[in-house]
This record gives sequence, C-alpha cells and structure tokens, in this order.
Amino acid sequence: QQQVKQSPQSLIVQKGGISIINCAYENTAFDYFPWYQQFPGKGPALLIAIRPDVSEKKEGRFTISFNKSAKQFSLHIMDSQPGDSATYFCAAFNQAGTALIFGKGTTLSVSS
Amino acid sequence: DAGVTQSPTHLIKTRGQQVTLRCSPKSGHDTVSWYQQALGQGPQFIFQYYEEEERQRGNFPDRFSGHQFPNYSSELNVNALLLGDSALYLCASSLPGGLSTEQYFGPGTRLTVT
Repeated sequence: QQQVKQSPQSLIVQKGGISIINCAYENTAFDYFPWYQQFPGKGPALLIAIRPDVSEKKEGRFTISFNKSAKQFSLHIMDSQPGDSATYFCAAFNQAGTALIFGKGTTLSVSS
Repeated sequence: DAGVTQSPTHLIKTRGQQVTLRCSPKSGHDTVSWYQQALGQGPQFIFQYYEEEERQRGNFPDRFSGHQFPNYSSELNVNALLLGDSALYLCASSLPGGLSTEQYFGPGTRLTVT
C-alpha cells in the first residue's frame, strides 16, 4: 500500500516558468514532510521540509504549500532553471519517527 | 565537513552470493538508516541503527541484515542475492538522539546482481 502518492510522474517546464509537484498522504500520524532533489548517479538531497502546523514555507525559489485537511502538499519551484532538472521526491516521516516514506518521484525537465 | 560517505560506489555480484556495503555518517550524526532504491522508484526503508542496535525495520526479508559500530559507521549485508536485489542502496544519517527528522543521504552504492 503506497502511503504517499506523487504526481505528475514527469514534468516539462520552460525556463522561467513555475514547476508544481503534488503529493497526497493517507496516514494522519505523519508529522514531517520533506522534499528531496536527486540528480542522476547521486543520492537524494534535502531541499525543503514542512510540519503540519504551518500552511506554507518558502526558501528561495522553493515553496511548500500544505493542506492538512485535504492531506495534500505541494512543491512550487519559481523561475525554474535548467539546473533544476532532476527527480524530485516528496516524503513523509512515519509514526515511529524513524523511516521516510517516499513518493515515486517526479522527473522535471526545464527547457532553455 | 565530510557528508555521508558510502563504499563501494558500484558492485557486481552473482545470484546467490553475499554482499557487504559500508556507510560512514555525516560528522556529528549517530543514527544511520538504509534505503533501497530500485530504478525509477523512490527509496524504500530497510532499517535504522541507533546506539549499535536495529531500531526499526521495514518490509525486507531476513536476508538483509546490518550492523552499527561504536564510531557510528554501519554495514548492510545481503545474503543469497536475488536478481531483484539489484538497486541503488542509500545510507542516510541524522542528528544525535535518533529522533531527528532530517536525514542526509550519501551517494549510494549501485548493486548489480547477475
């Protein structure tokens, strides 16, 4: 049973545009929601994270929007750049506070 | 400040063999988690080690075992390798106390089972 559902599977955005990736979760006990960025041949890198007591968090060009009642959260990348082309994973921290439960990933391509 | 390091980078093994992967956590971190990432998928949690003990385990068979040393480094062992074990194996470390939510990943070990 997939506990974190991520969409879309792939995304193509023009340089300067806004990239939006969505995730939905099922377990209301999740209390930490990070986004990871992964380049080919590399491990995932922590990008930005949010807790459910906050509806939005912004760091530079990256913003997480969180809707607790809908059990959904999204990543917005403003002014997308070719260097942002990577695979993005949303995740949620499990009830025991030990394991990250990942979505299946979104491959973002930013065209110049 | 060195981040999470893993060795080897790549490994090719034959079905039925055993493999050991190694991980050194980020400086100051004492908790190590292992994940398996199949091609085109998100990482899946294998287990976590804290204070040299397995703290939690994901849905993986007993063929997968681990160890944590007093210096906080860790090993992942996989016995009786199957073709389906081919994946990128990721190690992640987190801050002291085993309760930190921020996990930092290493570059991974690419295991190919033929």
